[in-house]
Amino acid sequence: GIQVEQSPPDLILQEGANSTLRCNFSDSVNNLQWFHQNPWGQLINLFYIPSGTKQNGRLSATTVATERYSLLYISSSQTTDSGVYFCAVGRGQGGKLIFGQGTELSVKP
Amino acid sequence: NAGVTQTPKFQVLKTGQSMTLQCAQDMNHNSMYWYRQDPGMGLRLIYYSASEGTTDKGEVPNGYNVSRLNKREFSLRLESAAPSQTSVYFCASSEGVSGAWAFFGQGTRLTVV
Repeated sequence: GIQVEQSPPDLILQEGANSTLRCNFSDSVNNLQWFHQNPWGQLINLFYIPSGTKQNGRLSATTVATERYSLLYISSSQTTDSGVYFCAVGRGQGGKLIFGQGTELSVKP
Repeated sequence: NAGVTQTPKFQVLKTGQSMTLQCAQDMNHNSMYWYRQDPGMGLRLIYYSASEGTTDKGEVPNGYNVSRLNKREFSLRLESAAPSQTSVYFCASSEGVSGAWAFFGQGTRLTVV
């Protein structure tokens, strides 16, 4: 099956700093989503981005499907950005997702 | 609009007991899923239902059964709970086609002692 690797596994930032999270996947996909799991465990949709670039406020994401990776950019980080960021991919119909191990982000005031 | 609702939120079971986790979605989605999340790991798919009336195994189906009761509801049953099934369980739903977001419930924290 498809393998999903995220890096780095952990990241500590000062408030206001920028960061880049990476997701590598081992095969072609037609579904790629980024999620934020907040400290209360809730999974929040960030981006649906199997290819191309999207932006939503301080967050943006780029997926280069031909090279099998996706990047999540967080600018001017805030303490509320803390939590675990997951990349999840899928292929074919049905919407099943394969998750990476996540990047745990801690933003210090 | 509640989205995806799971019950219960917390549960403690003794080894060998059975229980059913309930999930309902109000977004008229075709597909529903059950995932488990273990410490330090991403979510892994247990079972899914691509459409009403169908269910299929995911990556880690052993020890579980599911029922797609109708388009809204998808339940997960543990017939004889084991400590290895201690985990956080998430239900999700989506349109199930390319381009569809997946939406997750709040999770059920299950401990088997």
